[in-house]
Amino acid sequence: SAVISQKPSRDICQRGTSLTIQCQVDSQVTMMFWYRQQPGQSLTLIATANQGSEATYESGFVIDKFPISRPNLTFSTLTVSNMSPEDSSIYLCSVEEYDRERYEQYFGPGTRLTVT
Amino acid sequence: GQQVMQIPQYQHVQEGEDFTTYCNSSTTLSNIQWYKQRPGGHPVFLIQLVKSGEVKKQKRLTFQFGEAKKNSSLHITATQTTDVGTYFCAGPRSNDYKLSFGAGTTVTVRA
Repeated sequence: SAVISQKPSRDICQRGTSLTIQCQVDSQVTMMFWYRQQPGQSLTLIATANQGSEATYESGFVIDKFPISRPNLTFSTLTVSNMSPEDSSIYLCSVEEYDRERYEQYFGPGTRLTVT
Repeated sequence: GQQVMQIPQYQHVQEGEDFTTYCNSSTTLSNIQWYKQRPGGHPVFLIQLVKSGEVKKQKRLTFQFGEAKKNSSLHITATQTTDVGTYFCAGPRSNDYKLSFGAGTTVTVRA
């Protein structure tokens, strides 16, 4: 199974600033996913990052607010721009693997962001 | 759009008792997946069910996929403190196969 690391693991940021979250996978993957999980809530897909093309954003999420980079098949970054307290959340990156005729999705440990 | 719903939202269980959490989709699913998230942790893949009526067991956990492939259940027997966490079901969207997650069932255990 894929091993995913994220940096930073947590951060406290002031409103109006930006934070870039890094996601590193130990194998090459086609798609990487970025999720947001607000306190006590479920997982909400922000965007899908494909290497060599622009990220695909879900309804309610825009590139200006959440720019994504995908420079190669093992790495991606998500930036949370011009932060407000409403952006306080856990941000998770994820990859999908095909194993024994089944798809399995693996998540990184998450970045816990608090905006003050 | 497709919705995946889970009930109950919270489950308080006495250690040693059994419980079941349910997942329902507004549309037919090609498969259903279950994840567990421990407090302070990240979601971890548990299982994927693909076939209509499929039943799979993992030790004390029994997963079932409905005949119509629109609902699923997770049954835990003899609950232990290690079962604490939030259990999410997820189904692929019909248009692009990206996962749509349910709201989760958060399980607490009384010793």
